[in-house]
Amino acid sequence: QVQLVESGGGVVQPGRSLRLSCAASGFTLSTYEIHWVRQAPGKGLEWVAVILHDGTNYYADSVKGRFSISRDNSKNTLYLQMNSLRVEDTAVYYCVVTGSWGQGTLVTVSS
Amino acid sequence: DIQMTQSPSTLSASVGDRVIITCRASQGIRNDLGWFQQKPGKAPKRLIYAATSLQNGVPSRFSGSGSGTEFTLTISSLQPEDFATYYCLQHNSYPHTFGQGTKLEIK
Repeated sequence: QVQLVESGGGVVQPGRSLRLSCAASGFTLSTYEIHWVRQAPGKGLEWVAVILHDGTNYYADSVKGRFSISRDNSKNTLYLQMNSLRVEDTAVYYCVVTGSWGQGTLVTVSS
Repeated sequence: DIQMTQSPSTLSASVGDRVIITCRASQGIRNDLGWFQQKPGKAPKRLIYAATSLQNGVPSRFSGSGSGTEFTLTISSLQPEDFATYYCLQHNSYPHTFGQGTKLEIK
């Protein structure tokens, strides 16, 4: 069955970078559109980015120009490169495909 | 961008009640809408896709309706495990957008 396992979260200072990973199993990642969704502490869900099967990607305005979504087909793994991090990027980050969600990884941006 | 207005933000109800949660899209999204349930500390779980289709394994007391700009999630007879937060999501166009959420509380 579909399984998604995120990793790479942690505590980082404002302005620094972090890369999240999402290891997929039970399906071929490159044949689906895969999303990142985040949730700030105590807040609602926010869609962040998507990569389509043809490699096209889209971003929320709040992260455009700072975040980059990519995948490694040989590793069946999705990435989210997060640059110029801000305090307001603090959240649990989930990868999502066809309604299946990973368990999330927490990113805390704090000085 | 398409805005999703979800109501109510909080709903108090009792076991056995019928409850309805509404999402309104700022422009037509056909039936490109899903409903999700989230319990504290857990990842969201999809209940409904394509506005009206029940996800495999989800109890039949959950149902979705609507198309275009008006959508509803109905729980026909609340069970104790249904007290959670619910979100709608439009995936008609990018950026995808969620409703603000509805917290369903025990009365």
